[in-house]
Amino acid sequence: NAGVTQTPKFRILKIGQSMTLQCTQDMNHNYMYWYRQDPGMGLKLIYYSVGAGITDKGEVPNGYNVSRSTTEDFPLRLELAAPSQTSVYFCASSRQGHTEAFFGQGTRLTVV
Amino acid sequence: GQQVMQIPQYQHVQEGEDFTTYCNSSTTLSNIQWYKQRPGGHPVFLIQLVKSGEVKKQKRLTFQFGEAKKNSSLHITATQTTDVGTYFCAGLRAEDYKLSFGAGTTVTVRA
Repeated sequence: NAGVTQTPKFRILKIGQSMTLQCTQDMNHNYMYWYRQDPGMGLKLIYYSVGAGITDKGEVPNGYNVSRSTTEDFPLRLELAAPSQTSVYFCASSRQGHTEAFFGQGTRLTVV
Repeated sequence: GQQVMQIPQYQHVQEGEDFTTYCNSSTTLSNIQWYKQRPGGHPVFLIQLVKSGEVKKQKRLTFQFGEAKKNSSLHITATQTTDVGTYFCAGLRAEDYKLSFGAGTTVTVRA
């Protein structure tokens, strides 16, 4: 049982480039989330989804896009990467909304 | 700004001692969750508190939810080196059902 799997683990992007962070879960959870973690700032919600085909903005959605075509997958798209998007990104899932969340291993992204 | 405040930001503890970290919200919470993140790792769920005044224990960890459901605490007794990491609280705001994470308390242990 893999839980929540994120790829890649590390990535360096140049300013203006685009990329997709992949996230998949095998627990059949309806709820999935994308967070970013900056030093000393805790976790900020970027986007979340309550089920396949349904997504909504979180606290810091600007510069990101998501899709949820299946229950398992919830990719995060960065368009026109900026240095302010340098962060550690975590994908998470939960059976019910905002209850016990299972986190992936994280993606450390640097934009230079 | 931070909706949920955690104090202290850093806690340096002598092995064997006790310590407490606090979580405070300006608004009433429906529930509060606690997570632990080891250095270089990902957050791992510890517990969820729902009821006013609720107290839950996990071995040496005691979690408490305030009577007004605006604050919470995590108390660790007889700290061990395995307790090293950052402890986050996450409060679910009753007014808009938004989950807000605190900035975390980073714990280091002196052997």
